[in-house]
Amino acid sequence: EVQLVESGGGLVQPGRSMKLSCAASGFTFSNYGMAWVRQAPTKGLEWVATISYDGSSTYYRDSVKGRFTISRDNAKSTLYLQMNSLRSEDTATYYCTRRDGYYHAFAYWGQGTLVTVSS
Amino acid sequence: DIVMTQGALPNPVPSGESASITCQSSKSLLHSNGKTYLNWYLQRPGQSHQFLIYWMSTRASGVSDRFSGSGSGTDFTLKISSVEAEDVGVYYCQQFLEYPLTFGSGTKLEIK
Repeated sequence: EVQLVESGGGLVQPGRSMKLSCAASGFTFSNYGMAWVRQAPTKGLEWVATISYDGSSTYYRDSVKGRFTISRDNAKSTLYLQMNSLRSEDTATYYCTRRDGYYHAFAYWGQGTLVTVSS
Repeated sequence: DIVMTQGALPNPVPSGESASITCQSSKSLLHSNGKTYLNWYLQRPGQSHQFLIYWMSTRASGVSDRFSGSGSGTDFTLKISSVEAEDVGVYYCQQFLEYPLTFGSGTKLEIK
């Protein structure tokens, strides 16, 4: 069974940093691209970043480019999101997703971890 | 960016009736390979998102045949025939044609 378990969320002050992790299991992690999708309170879904299966390619939405870094450790089957210079508008639940290249879709999602940026 | 616009449902929908959710994209999602990169997901209350439909009309593995997707390059519909209590939640369409990947604002389904 595919499982994606996010961790690392919490309350952080504006301008500070936070690193999210996503532990993957139930599939060969190194075969799949991965992504982060977020959802602000009472809002819809917003794609944040994607990383290729081997980490050689990354893509970001404009609003996080230069502040967020997506990375992965295939030996540990873990996905990361390093978030720097956090802003109040980054407050959201962050979901780890598996990108399935054949379907061109996010076939599996974690339960999410809440990040609150506030002083 | 490709803007995805979803329609609302006349909630609550009586159990056993059908429900159709519309989604419109600001750009055709038809790829040169003939596939239309439009997906549908369901966010049930308190649960992880479920992948429902890909390539506009193909059901993901394990998805009930009560769910069907249709459309053109820019106008799409997710139809749920004979809605059940387990169908309650928020449905999202998403384009996977180009970055930035974008979602619709979501359509809530309530059952009577």
